Amino acid sequence: EVQLMESGGDLVQPGGSLRLSCAASGFTLSGLSMHWVRQEPEKGLVWVSQINSDGTFTFYADSVKGRFTISRDNAKNTLYLQMNSLRVDDTGFYYCARGTLSIPGLDSWGQGVLVTVSS
Amino acid sequence: QTVVTQESSLTVSPGGTVTLTCASSTGAVTSGNSPNWLQQRPGQAPRALIYGATNKHSWTPARFSGSLLGGKAALTLSGVQPEDEAEYYCLLHYDGVWVFGGGTKLTV
Repeated sequence: EVQLMESGGDLVQPGGSLRLSCAASGFTLSGLSMHWVRQEPEKGLVWVSQINSDGTFTFYADSVKGRFTISRDNAKNTLYLQMNSLRVDDTGFYYCARGTLSIPGLDSWGQGVLVTVSS
Repeated sequence: QTVVTQESSLTVSPGGTVTLTCASSTGAVTSGNSPNWLQQRPGQAPRALIYGATNKHSWTPARFSGSLLGGKAALTLSGVQPEDEAEYYCLLHYDGVWVFGGGTKLTV
């Protein structure tokens, strides 16, 4: 069974840093792109970042470019999101999602982890 | 900044048919945007339904179908069930960057 488990969420002050992890099980992370998606409580989904299968290409939403870094360790079957210079509007649930194999898309999602940025 | 637009809310009777649409501020939605559709019930993580405009995942119920219609991506639910009441999100691809629509709240 494919499972994605996010961790690392916390309460952090504006300007602070946090690293999220997404542990994959039931499949091999290598060979698939991966994504991070944010959702503010009671609000819509916002795509944050994507990394290709071997980590050579990364893409970011304009709102996080220069502050967030997506990375992966295929040997550990784990995806990461390093978040620096955090702002209040970065608050929300962060989901990791697996990319589809051929046609671009997302398929399996984790349950999400809460990041709260507040003073 | 690219904006993806969906209906804010729709209502359908059980057993009925409803079509949700997804438009792009850059012009017609095409297969190149690889439209994805996701369902989210309250308190749950999103669940992927459709990718590449028309392709279903192994878990996607047969009553859900995706298409390109009049320059938009569309999600059609035929024979709607009470459990289909949820928020539905469209997701479009633009050269490595993805953009979600604001979501459609479907009431059954």
